[in-house]
Amino acid sequence: DTGVSQNPRHKITKRGQNVTFRCDPISEHNRLYWYRQTLGQGPEFLTYFQNEAQLEKSRLLSDRFSAERPKGSFSTLEIQRTEQGDSAMYLCASSLILPGTEAFFGQGTRLTVV
Amino acid sequence: GEDVEQSLFLSVREGDSSVINCTYTDSSSTYLYWYKQEPGAGLQLLTYIFSNMDMKQDQRLTVLLNKKDKHLSLRIADTQTGDSAIYFCAEITYNTDKLIFGTGTRLQVFP
Repeated sequence: DTGVSQNPRHKITKRGQNVTFRCDPISEHNRLYWYRQTLGQGPEFLTYFQNEAQLEKSRLLSDRFSAERPKGSFSTLEIQRTEQGDSAMYLCASSLILPGTEAFFGQGTRLTVV
Repeated sequence: GEDVEQSLFLSVREGDSSVINCTYTDSSSTYLYWYKQEPGAGLQLLTYIFSNMDMKQDQRLTVLLNKKDKHLSLRIADTQTGDSAIYFCAEITYNTDKLIFGTGTRLQVFP
């Protein structure tokens, strides 16, 4: 297993367009997290899944954002009607359920909204 | 509430020790972590400490936890230029299974 994989690595889109990012977690990991990181800040939690169930969503996640993990494996994060304020690095992480286990992060998808 | 704070910048000479500090507000923290982020790369877990411990050592890294003051520190001995990166502390609490990150400390190591 090569770790957590995110695609695309970079995305430039025009304001108002929809974008979708994909995350492939480590295969045996049942937890999958999405974070957003803006310049000079730490990652901010967006949402997480345990298998296919979405267990928590941050208040940061407006109704323009939707995440899915249909078969409990890969996940997608869609942003509709993008705004310039959505420009950020979107990070995905996966882990086992056991407390204290390491969350492995992907390299992220950098979104630029112009 | 959830709030994790770090100083923004630290500059040290190669070979010296670095100490990166972090304070948190949630007393129900169970695990506290240190992550490293290099430019253009994802987050790499360096070490973590369980909340019932006060110290953990792992090669050049020493983590100190003061639960009373809600203060966490990461000491890097014999700091090298390859240690230059942004360091994030993060916590998980009894109430949630998500990592809450600090703002990050940029460590710059000069020769």
